[in-house]
Amino acid sequence: DTAVSQTPKYLVTQMGNDKSIKCEQNLGHDTMYWYKQDSKKFLKIMFSYNNKELIINETVPNRFSPKSPDKAHLNLHINSLELGDSAVYFCASSQGLARQETQYFGPGTRLLVL
Amino acid sequence: RKEVEQDPGPFNVPEGATVAFNCTYSNSASQSFFWYRQDCRKEPKLLMSVYSSGNEDGRFTAQLNRASQYISLLIRDSKLSDSATYLCVVITSGTYKYIFGTGTRLKVLA
Repeated sequence: DTAVSQTPKYLVTQMGNDKSIKCEQNLGHDTMYWYKQDSKKFLKIMFSYNNKELIINETVPNRFSPKSPDKAHLNLHINSLELGDSAVYFCASSQGLARQETQYFGPGTRLLVL
Repeated sequence: RKEVEQDPGPFNVPEGATVAFNCTYSNSASQSFFWYRQDCRKEPKLLMSVYSSGNEDGRFTAQLNRASQYISLLIRDSKLSDSATYLCVVITSGTYKYIFGTGTRLKVLA
């Protein structure tokens, strides 16, 4: 059983399109995250939700909109895709917000914008 | 200066060697520390937490030096399967954010 799953695994699209990435966790965790890993392999937090409430919103263009319909799901919608959005997007989850909580990552969604 | 810095490597070592990586952090209020491992084209996975007194898990030893603001990871008796990128993670007091280093790439050679 996959603990944190993401769909799609690969996404190739044209500039200007709108796309969504979905994430689901079956660990019963309260907190979920979206990260972006760029071509230099730098992994950076974008958003975090705790019990469906947005708690971390980094300096991310407002073309990116997360949505958490319930604790087990955190989706990412991206409007007007740009070349610079090409990256690997990882979803993660943790039990809660305590500093020592381990984060469990999904397999990633490889987005290529042409 | 980046919040969390690592030598990108690669560190090329023979099987059986001992190798150590450091990770420096700039915020003295940093409270929690981890080492994650990321294989090529895979997701990061927790390797070990780093405790103030240092901790060991099999061939892996993690240390924290608060005075000099760095953490270290020591791998003894390297295996081919240890080849991966090792990411250090720092969490600062008052935040819930994982701050990742850019990773150190290790290649263990036969």
